[in-house]
This record gives sequence, structure tokens and C-alpha cells, in this order.
Amino acid sequence: ERVMTQSPATLSVSPGERATLSCRANQSVSSNLAWYQQKPGQAPRLLIYGASTRATGIPARFSGSGSGTEFTLTISSLQSEDFAVYYCQQYNNWPRTFGQGTKVEIK
Amino acid sequence: QVQLVQSGAEVRKPGASVKVSCKASGYYFTRYYMHWVRQAPGQGLEWMGKINPSGGSTRYAQKFQARVTMSRDTSTSTFYMELSSLRSEDTAVYYCARDRHEILGHDAFDIWGPGTMVTVSS
Repeated sequence: ERVMTQSPATLSVSPGERATLSCRANQSVSSNLAWYQQKPGQAPRLLIYGASTRATGIPARFSGSGSGTEFTLTISSLQSEDFAVYYCQQYNNWPRTFGQGTKVEIK
Repeated sequence: QVQLVQSGAEVRKPGASVKVSCKASGYYFTRYYMHWVRQAPGQGLEWMGKINPSGGSTRYAQKFQARVTMSRDTSTSTFYMELSSLRSEDTAVYYCARDRHEILGHDAFDIWGPGTMVTVSS
């Protein structure tokens, strides 16, 4: 199975700063990579699919890049509502697998 | 609007079974695959399997193959996930999540239900 590894586990960022989250696959997943945001007590929300396409209603400050085994989610200027846990997920192979998550916290 | 409404929290004893429902509305039910994902307390997300709402075919993660059954009722636009032989490690929030791609079911999950908490305790 494809193993997804996210780094760092926790990212401390000040509001207004840039956040860069990484996701690595142990084998290529092409561009079949999604990013989700999850806040406490809520279901995950799709942010990015196809490695770089924003989902409906997602602000432009969220951007995704990468292909193959290395992916990045960038939040250009963190807003208060962006502090959450972020998961990457590959949908190139079965079973679908998620990274363990990166928690973005207020510095 | 597109919406997934899940059944309420459940408490079961070890060895029992639980059946969680997910009622879909606001879109053409048979066109989008549905996945089930679970999240143990304080842990990450774990994919359990998917179902094709048109023909009812399923694909399960190997870990759950022997214990999970996913089904659907097209007359009520409702999906079901039943997990048997429950153990304490099955305590988790169970989510239904719609596949973004119409027909093919090979895409990200764009709509999620609110989750159903299942607690397994003696």
C-alpha cells in the first residue's frame, strides 16, 4: 500500500505568516493527491485535489504543488480560521491512504 | 444543497455489531461512489471501503474485509456501513464521504457527513 508521510507533525506559525506543509508517498501516486483541513469536532473538508486544484469555495491563499512522491500545501498568509489539522490523501491506488496529519498551531 | 446526514451515536459491547447510516440528498444518488472513513479519538483518518451506489459493488480495505459490510438503499438514498465483532479499538468516529468524480469513483472526497461516534465498551 502507499504510505503517506507528512511533515512536520506540528507547525507553529504566527497569523499573517506563510505555512508550508509537506507530504511524501513511498511510491508514486502521480497527481492523485488531495489535501483536507479538519477542525476539532468537525469532519474533514476538501481543500485541494489533483495535487494543485482548489476545491469549490477554497480561498486562493491555499495552494498545492507536486507530483509523483513529493507534495506541498502552502497557506500564503495564515488567518485565524486556518489553524487546524491538515491531512494529505492519495487516491491513485487501493487502499486509499492518508498521512498522519500536520497540526498548524498559533505561534 | 448536497448533504449527508448520518445516524446518531452508538454504544456497543465487545463482540457486537453496529450499523451506521448515511442519507444523501441534493444530488443524483446513483452517480457518485460513497466511501467510509473512520477516526479513532485523537488519531488520523483511516479508509475502510467504498460502495458503488448504482450496482452495489464494494471494495474494502483488507484490514476490515472480514468484518465490514457496506450497502445502500436506492429507494431512500441511504448508505449503510455495518461492522461486526466489535472490539475496543473500533471506538471511533465513522464518516461517510462522497467521491468527487461522477461515475468513476476514482477521486478525492468532496462531501463528508458529520460523523457517527461508535463506542465499544464492556
